[in-house]
Amino acid sequence: QKEVEQNSGPLSVPEGAIASLNCTYSDRGSQSFFWYRQYSGKSPELIMFIYSNGDKEDGRFTAQLNKASQYVSLLIRDSQPSDSATYLCAVTDNTNAGKSTFGDGTTLTVKP
Amino acid sequence: DAGVIQSPRHEVTEMGQEVTLRCKPISGHDYLFWYRQTMMRGLELLIYFNNNVPIDDSGMPEDRFSAKMPNASFSTLKIQPSEPRDSAVYFCASSAGRGTEAFFGQGTRLTVV
Repeated sequence: QKEVEQNSGPLSVPEGAIASLNCTYSDRGSQSFFWYRQYSGKSPELIMFIYSNGDKEDGRFTAQLNKASQYVSLLIRDSQPSDSATYLCAVTDNTNAGKSTFGDGTTLTVKP
Repeated sequence: DAGVIQSPRHEVTEMGQEVTLRCKPISGHDYLFWYRQTMMRGLELLIYFNNNVPIDDSGMPEDRFSAKMPNASFSTLKIQPSEPRDSAVYFCASSAGRGTEAFFGQGTRLTVV
């Protein structure tokens, strides 16, 4: 079992819909959780980070964390074609000097 | 700051040759990470440094891979000898502290023929 698992996708949603991306992790010692977006041929870039249980909103993006269930998700409201990319979930165990483990990513396509 | 700078952007080499990838992290960042990305295996952490000291190299595939960080502003990843299965995009990333965001360089696309 991988340490960080994501829905393999691909995920396709119509423009304006809500896209829901999910991630589970195995290490209960995990402390920091990140969502990166990676466009084809480009490097990953941070969209959201979350440290505490609950929801964190930033514009059209909402990250949700449930440490008891070892689950973190990313919701994208009012999806746009420009949101089409691969979304990577990353989990960091602060006790291991900040080592991040990435999931394999979920590819999202937003259709106009 | 110009961000994390990697060179070269593209490298094509013949099997058996030595390959050296270079990285300049963001000034002031204490952590430096080397990742490899392939379609089959996704984004894998190879090694990371804290204050120029290697902390965890458990992701380095085999002895053909080595990494150094002689100072806070420069790191290298060397593959000797290279093999076709080493073909991948290699990313360098840096972060300001434990458990914080990693900033990625543009990557080096390595092709070993």
